Amino acid sequence: GIQVEQSPPDLILQEGANSTLRCNFSDSVNNLQWFHQNPWGQLINLFYIPSGTKQNGRLSATTVATERYSLLYISSSQTTDSGVYFCAVDQTGANNLFFGTGTRLTVIP
Amino acid sequence: NAGVTQTPKFRVLKTGQSMTLLCAQDMNHEYMYWYRQDPGMGLRLIHYSVGEGTTAKGEVPDGYNVSRLKKQNFLLGLESAAPSQTSVYFCASMSRRITDTQYFGPGTRLTVL
Repeated sequence: GIQVEQSPPDLILQEGANSTLRCNFSDSVNNLQWFHQNPWGQLINLFYIPSGTKQNGRLSATTVATERYSLLYISSSQTTDSGVYFCAVDQTGANNLFFGTGTRLTVIP
Repeated sequence: NAGVTQTPKFRVLKTGQSMTLLCAQDMNHEYMYWYRQDPGMGLRLIHYSVGEGTTAKGEVPDGYNVSRLKKQNFLLGLESAAPSQTSVYFCASMSRRITDTQYFGPGTRLTVL
């Protein structure tokens, strides 16, 4: 099956710093999404981004489908950005998401 | 508009017991999904449904059954619980007519002793 690798596995930032999270996938995909799981376990969709670049406030994401990777950028990080960031891909067309193991981000004041 | 809700929030079972987890959504979404999340891992798809009366297997379906008798509800059943099924279970829903974004419920933490 498809492999989804995220790096780094853990990241600690000072509040206000910028960061880049990476997601590599081993095969072509129909769909790629980024999620944030907050410290209470709630999962929030950040981006639906099978290709191209999108921005939402301090967050932006870029997917280069031909090279099989996606990047999530977090600028001016805040303590509320803490949690685990997951990349998930779909190959079936039915949005059956296959998740990576995540990047755990801790933002310290 | 409650979004996606899950019942119960927590449950402890003994090995061999059965139970049903309920997922409900009030967004009129066609697609619904059940995932499990084990410590330190991402979510894995158990079963999914593309519409009322239809279900299909995901990545890790063994030991689970599902039913989608009503569009707004998706039930996940464990017929004979095993300790390996200790996990946090998430339900999600999606409407292809709007976007391919999945909306997740708050999760059910299940412990099997």
